[in-house]
Amino acid sequence: DAGVIQSPRHEVTEMGQEVTLRCKPISGHNSLFWYRQTMMRGLELLIYFNNNVPIDDSGMPEDRFSAKMPNASFSTLKIQPSEPRDSAVYFCASTHGPSGGATDTQYFGPGTRLTVL
Amino acid sequence: GQNIDQPTEMTATEGAIVQINCTYQTSGFNGLFWYQQHAGEAPTFLSYNVLDGLEEKGRFSSFLSRSKGYSYLLLKELQMKDSASYLCAVRDRSGGSYIPTFGRGTSLIVHP
Repeated sequence: DAGVIQSPRHEVTEMGQEVTLRCKPISGHNSLFWYRQTMMRGLELLIYFNNNVPIDDSGMPEDRFSAKMPNASFSTLKIQPSEPRDSAVYFCASTHGPSGGATDTQYFGPGTRLTVL
Repeated sequence: GQNIDQPTEMTATEGAIVQINCTYQTSGFNGLFWYQQHAGEAPTFLSYNVLDGLEEKGRFSSFLSRSKGYSYLLLKELQMKDSASYLCAVRDRSGGSYIPTFGRGTSLIVHP
């Protein structure tokens, strides 16, 4: 299995530009998570989907952030307009399901390092 | 929500043993995970505890005490490649969500 795939791996953009991050979860996994990691705040959950449906987006910082999952094999996280404080590493993770059990170990993608100038 | 506390940084010598502690406060405990994250890489799963006691997996072991809200990750026969950040994550079933919350991580530096 290829694991969770994210693109791009690095993104440098200017303040005000739109940024789109992409994720392909592990085949057969039905839960997908978007995280943001910074030195100051650690790993924060932004949103998660179960069976392509957004379940909890309470971690999305503000309306500039939006996420979609049009099908079981693809999700996007969009920031529009981007700001310097959005600079972070954004991870996508997937699991078999949302309920308890070791089988719900999260598998993380390699991350997208976003720099907003 | 959860309140998860880990030391920020630890150092140890190659070949030694190190214990990384994690304390948490949660109303509906439903499991604790340990992840390893090398610099510039993604977190990778190390261990999962849901019952009290010690889970051993090679050089790594993880312990849980639910009554004390406490876990530790024990690394034996340390190797240079063990230098990484170790993240404690706690899953809480209250509110119907089973999503783990991550601690800030403990940066372990292994020196010769």
